[in-house]
Amino acid sequence: QVQLVESGGGVVQPGRSLRLSCAASGFTFSSYTFHWVRQAPGKGLEWVAVMSNDGHTKYYADSVRGRFTVSRDNSKSTLYLQMDSLRAEDTAVYYCARQVERGVWVIDFWGQGTLVTVSS
Amino acid sequence: QLVLTQTPSASASLGASVKLTCTLSSGHSSNVIVWHQQQPEKGPRYLMKLNSDGSHNKGDGIPDRFSGSSSGAERYLTISSLQSEDEADYYCQTWGTGILVFGGGTKLTVL
Repeated sequence: QVQLVESGGGVVQPGRSLRLSCAASGFTFSSYTFHWVRQAPGKGLEWVAVMSNDGHTKYYADSVRGRFTVSRDNSKSTLYLQMDSLRAEDTAVYYCARQVERGVWVIDFWGQGTLVTVSS
Repeated sequence: QLVLTQTPSASASLGASVKLTCTLSSGHSSNVIVWHQQQPEKGPRYLMKLNSDGSHNKGDGIPDRFSGSSSGAERYLTISSLQSEDEADYYCQTWGTGILVFGGGTKLTVL
């Protein structure tokens, strides 16, 4: 069955870095575009970034552009989010999510999330 | 600017029906939107893709009690025969060029 499993979350000090991973299984990873979406404690969903299936197209939310980098390894069926210069306001559960088809930004499957806490 | 507006909270009785609303900002009334459900302490789940003409495509395993409809810039999610497990946050989602947008979410309480 389709699975997306995020990992790499934890507690990190402001200004430091963290890399999240999202391991996919149950479908052909290389055929799909993926998004990162986050949710601060008690808040709603906030889109973070997207990467196309071939890795050539990426977009970022204004709040993370220049600090976060999305990447993927299709041979490992894994999506990554490199987070640098972390701030307290980056504290959130981070979800990876699959887009149903190219050019149509419909998310049709979500991971269970990994919690990132930025605190001194 | 592309914005989705949702009422923060709604409530309805067990067995009743409820209609949740997602409103697209001016100039975006033809956008496709997506409804997602997030039960307490869980990750979100895809419910359906909803077109401007009201046609919709539901996710696998989504009960027939969930349906979508559209009118102008408004997109609706109707849940009939409410059950306790329907108590959740409901988010609408759409996109523009290089950006994906979520509404603020509606917290549904089943009384």
